[in-house]
Amino acid sequence: EVQLVESGGGLVQPGRSLRLSCAASGFTFDDYAMHWVRQAPGKGLEWVSGISWNSGSIGYADSVKGRFTISRDNAKNSLYLQMNSLRAEDTALYYCAKGAGVPAAMNYWGQGTLVTVSS
Amino acid sequence: QSALTQPRSVSGSPGQSVTISCTGTSSDVGGYNYVSWYQQHPGKAPKLMIYDVSKRPSGVPDRFSGSKSGNTASLTISGLQAEDEADYYCCSYAGSYTEVFGGGTKLTVL
Repeated sequence: EVQLVESGGGLVQPGRSLRLSCAASGFTFDDYAMHWVRQAPGKGLEWVSGISWNSGSIGYADSVKGRFTISRDNAKNSLYLQMNSLRAEDTALYYCAKGAGVPAAMNYWGQGTLVTVSS
Repeated sequence: QSALTQPRSVSGSPGQSVTISCTGTSSDVGGYNYVSWYQQHPGKAPKLMIYDVSKRPSGVPDRFSGSKSGNTASLTISGLQAEDEADYYCCSYAGSYTEVFGGGTKLTVL
């Protein structure tokens, strides 16, 4: 059974940093791209960042480019999101999602970890 | 990277069909055959319903179908059922290893 478990969320002040983690199990982690998608309270989904199986291709939404860094450790079956210079508008539930082998398709999702940016 | 445009809400009665549109540009929807659709019930994680414009993952009922014409993709749900009431999001590849979601559509089953 595929499982994606996010952690690392919490309350953080504007301008500070936070690192999210996603522990994956139930599939061959290093065969698939992985993504972070966020959802602000009461709002829609926003793709944040994606990384290919070997970290050779990485993409970011314009809203986080230069502030967030995605990475993965295939030996640990883990995905990460380093978030720097956090803003109030980064407040959201952050989902980790497994790529389905083709662009724009994410076939398994975690339950999310909540990040709240507030003073 | 502007969000794709979806109607904010659609509705239909049980047994009827509804179609949700998703309009982008030639840099995303119109430029690639990589459009997916997600269903999200309140408090739950999204679920992949359609990928590659019109393909259904295993386990998704064939009542759900997808299509694309130019810069607009569409999700059609036929034989509406009460459990189809949810939020629906389109997503498109936008080049340079980026994706973009639509703003979401709330489907109400009357």
